[in-house]
Amino acid sequence: GAVVSQHPSRVICKSGTSVKIECRSLDFQATTMFWYRQFPKQSLMLMATSNEGSKATYEQGVEKDKFLINHASLTLSTLTVTSAHPEDSSFYICSARDPGGAVKETQYFGPGTRLLVL
Amino acid sequence: GDSVTQMEGPVTLSEEAFLTINCTYTATGYPSLFWYVQYPGEGLQLLLKATKADDKGSNKGFEATYRKETTSFHLEKGSVQVSDSAVYFCALRGGGSNYKLTFGKGTLLTVNP
Repeated sequence: GAVVSQHPSRVICKSGTSVKIECRSLDFQATTMFWYRQFPKQSLMLMATSNEGSKATYEQGVEKDKFLINHASLTLSTLTVTSAHPEDSSFYICSARDPGGAVKETQYFGPGTRLLVL
Repeated sequence: GDSVTQMEGPVTLSEEAFLTINCTYTATGYPSLFWYVQYPGEGLQLLLKATKADDKGSNKGFEATYRKETTSFHLEKGSVQVSDSAVYFCALRGGGSNYKLTFGKGTLLTVNP
């Protein structure tokens, strides 16, 4: 099946620094990617929808100036957590929709990035 | 808004036992329903789906039936294996073309030999 990668898988940073997380679709072109956040024992919460070549659409309550999303190509979307603080520590997961896939509603998920802000 | 409620885990079973993980939903319109599975250290994978009432999704011995009258999509397997140990997420995609998914909290299943 389709593969989505994320990099890095784990990052530890100091409070106040910015962290960039990459999400790549490896064998298909993804016009739409999604960024989720997952707290321990909680469900995945959609943060934003990223469309190639246009601005991301953020969910209510998500600060777009803090969580910068760039979807500059059909295989890459990046999430930058700016001026990270300890409360931003979480598990960030991306997914990508394959518009040409046999199952058009399927989202393919990356393995996630564990962010710890000290 | 849309929401998904699934039974809280963890669930621990012996090999060959019967599995049920309950999932109910709230949504306007006619959502599509999904079960995703996350094996340790891996990303979420689509396990099965159903797009309309009375549809049954099935894969790898797992089944779930879209019940509109009870707004449910319970996951079942007749005989679990150790390799089924994972976290299972119920999800829905509401009407419209934005492809947004709403997830339940996930249920950790551990199958012992």
